[in-house]
Amino acid sequence: AAGVIQSPRHLIKEKRETATLKCYPIPRHDTVYWYQQGPGQDPQFLISFYEKMQSDKGSIPDRFSAQQFSDYHSELNMSSLELGDSALYFCASSGFGETQYFGPGTRLLVL
Amino acid sequence: GEDVEQSLFLSVREGDSSVINCTYTDSSSTYLYWYKQEPGAGLQLLTYIFSNMDMKQDQRLTVLLNKKDKHLSLRIADTQTGDSAIYFCAETLSLNDYKLSFGAGTTVTVRA
Repeated sequence: AAGVIQSPRHLIKEKRETATLKCYPIPRHDTVYWYQQGPGQDPQFLISFYEKMQSDKGSIPDRFSAQQFSDYHSELNMSSLELGDSALYFCASSGFGETQYFGPGTRLLVL
Repeated sequence: GEDVEQSLFLSVREGDSSVINCTYTDSSSTYLYWYKQEPGAGLQLLTYIFSNMDMKQDQRLTVLLNKKDKHLSLRIADTQTGDSAIYFCAETLSLNDYKLSFGAGTTVTVRA
């Protein structure tokens, strides 16, 4: 069965640079969620989209923005990267209100 | 997470049963989930239970929910070395709030 696809899987950036993470949901899933998992931490909700509209917002820094496109894929844009942004970024998808299935994550390292 | 608490570590002998416990604070929790994360890997959904149920069994996994005490447990029967991982308890808070709130995770180590 098709799963959530995230790209890239690994990313190394320098401080103050910009990064774009991509998420391709499971076919026919219309809702996408982004989570950030710091080293040794539990995942923290960042933001979610339903039918291309932002549906909820969590602890997402103002330096980050995200959107969902007409094909339901989503991108998380991160600017002015800081060392503390180093983390595993997960995307999850679901049908509206249904169980979330997670992608493999993008591991971001900021040097 | 602040709203969901778990013990941090569990060591179990291969072939024994593992029981991972979780407590949550919000009585409006609707669904409660167990996710498994192996080292360097993503989050794998293991099972979930709706808040109006008290038990769910799926092969080697048994979930027990005590809504009065806000206590959730995951029992893994016949624990294998491949069960070594971090197990996260997570909740969604209401029928209109779908984001997951995770516990800190329990690291399960299976010894031979």
